[in-house]
Amino acid sequence: SQTIHQWPATLVQPVGSPLSLECTVEGTSNPNLYWYRQAAGRGLQLLFYSVGIGQISSEVPQNLSASRPQDRQFILSSKKLLLSDSGFYLCAWRQTSTDTQYFGPGTRLTVL
Amino acid sequence: GESVGLHLPTLSVQEGDNSIINCAYSNSASDYFIWYKQESGKGPQFIIDIRSNMDKRQGQRVTVLLNKTVKHLSLQIAATQPGDSAVYFCAEKANSGNTPLVFGKGTRLSVIA
Repeated sequence: SQTIHQWPATLVQPVGSPLSLECTVEGTSNPNLYWYRQAAGRGLQLLFYSVGIGQISSEVPQNLSASRPQDRQFILSSKKLLLSDSGFYLCAWRQTSTDTQYFGPGTRLTVL
Repeated sequence: GESVGLHLPTLSVQEGDNSIINCAYSNSASDYFIWYKQESGKGPQFIIDIRSNMDKRQGQRVTVLLNKTVKHLSLQIAATQPGDSAVYFCAEKANSGNTPLVFGKGTRLSVIA
């Protein structure tokens, strides 16, 4: 069966520091991968998605970036965090043969 | 752009009663719809989905209804339990390509014991 992992689970970072969040998927190959951000008590905002290694589509222009160095690895990064980057970051995957999307457990990021 | 929205942001239901969570969508090209449940501090969990060639689909204690005429989607939960308390999101997708899901704002369901 397929599983999706995210780490770290929680992170507290100072303003201006760099960020690296990692997402990996097991049990499938060539998945579509997605990064979402969710502010407290709010909906899901799509940040990036990837249909293959090295292929990144950006949905929201901001100080975040994404990379897909391996087929089942998706990384969310920032060179300098802002206060507004605080939130719950969710990674998701989808098999290209289906439309169903599955989410990881999320990373709670607090920028102070 | 087109988006998926919700009629009610919060819903309180007595334990044992049935719950109905509604969702309106505006993209007539959407052909796939999905409901997620998100508990506090966790990622959204898939509940049930439906394609536009169907009007109704049932799962365990849940039923999704699709009315394409009025672009309306609903999630029915039978015999609501305290464990059903969560935020519920609907999402829609147009065509079977790489188009990402479009999510609604979410409805918080509170079950009163």
